[in-house]
Order: sequence, then C-alpha cells, then structure tokens
Amino acid sequence: DTAVSQTPKYLVTQMGNDKSIKCEQNLGHDTMYWYKQDSKKFLKIMFSYNNKELIINETVPNRFSPKSPDKAHLNLHINSLELGDSAVYFCASSLGTGSQPQHFGDGTRLSIL
Amino acid sequence: QKEVEQDPGPLSVPEGAIVSLNCTYSNSAFQYFMWYRQYSRKGPELLMYTYSSGNKEDGRFTAQVDKSSKYISLFIRDSQPSDSATYLCAMSAGGYNKLIFGAGTRLAVHP
Repeated sequence: DTAVSQTPKYLVTQMGNDKSIKCEQNLGHDTMYWYKQDSKKFLKIMFSYNNKELIINETVPNRFSPKSPDKAHLNLHINSLELGDSAVYFCASSLGTGSQPQHFGDGTRLSIL
Repeated sequence: QKEVEQDPGPLSVPEGAIVSLNCTYSNSAFQYFMWYRQYSRKGPELLMYTYSSGNKEDGRFTAQVDKSSKYISLFIRDSQPSDSATYLCAMSAGGYNKLIFGAGTRLAVHP
C-alpha cells in the first residue's frame, strides 16, 4: 500500500492551461505539504495544511491554489500555466507540525510545452 | 547566501568505501536535522532524523550534528551500489515544521 500517493505521475500540457494535481495519504497524518523540485533538484516548500487549515503559504504566485477537502487529501490547482512551472511537485505528510518527520510521495512531473 | 549549503557532487566511490556527506547552515534556530535519500524518479525517503547536537547510528548509516559549527554529516560505511542516489539534507526550527533542504549530493557507488 502506497503511503502518500499522487496523481497523475506525469502531466504534459500547453502554456496557459489550468491543471490540478491530487494527493492522498493513508498514514492517518494531520499535516500535509506541497513542495516544488526544480531542474537543479532543489526542493522548496510551497504550502502546508494542518487539519485542513492553511499554515504555511510561501511566496508562490497566486496562480497556485491548494485545497484540502479533508485531512487525508491535499490538491494543488494551477491556473494559466507558464513555462517556469515545469518541475516535479511533491506531496508530503507528517503526523503533526513541530518536529514530526515528513514522508513524501513519488512526485508529479509537470512539463509545459 | 542560501540557508543550507550542500555540495551537489557528483561523488563517485568504489564499493566498500566509507562515504562522507556534509551540509552547513546559517540559521541557528534549526533544531531538527534530517537526511533523505532520493532515487531517480522517486520521492525523498527519510534515512536519518536527529534532534540538536550529537550522533545517531542506524546500521551502516551515522548522522552527526555539530550545532556550534552549524555543520551536519552523514557517513555511510561499507557502501553498496544500491546506495547510489541523491542525498538531501534538510532541517527545521520546529513550529510549523517548514523543512529547508540542501541542494542534494549525487552519489555513485561503483562495483
């Protein structure tokens, strides 16, 4: 059973389109995260939700909108996709905030044509 | 200057070698230190987790934290070809658990 699963694994789309990425965790965790990994493999946090409440909102264009319908799910919607949005997007979860270790999914590879 | 500095490598070693991977950081508020391993086309996998200064050992892996020097290390003993991956250091000050990652070091262990 995959602990943190993301769909789709690959997403190829045109500039200007709107797309969504979904994440689900079956670990019973309260906190979920979105990270972006660029072409140089640098991982940077974008958002975090704790019990469906947004607690981390980094400097990210407002074209990116996260949504957490419940504690086990976290989605990321991106409007008006740009070339610079091409990256791997990782979802992660942890038992709570503070010092809890984070567990990652295998990523969604987004390519903008 | 980045908050966390990590040499991206690549680092190439023969099988059986001892590997040393390092990160330095500038934020003295960091208290929680992690090492993740990332295979190609996979997500980061937590290897080691330490709090504050000191050493932690798990099998062939040893993590060291020196908060006075703002320096953390991961040692891999008896390295195996299956250890070939990118190793990412990460750290957090606690609170909302915002992880700050290093750039990752690419390691290749050849038979």
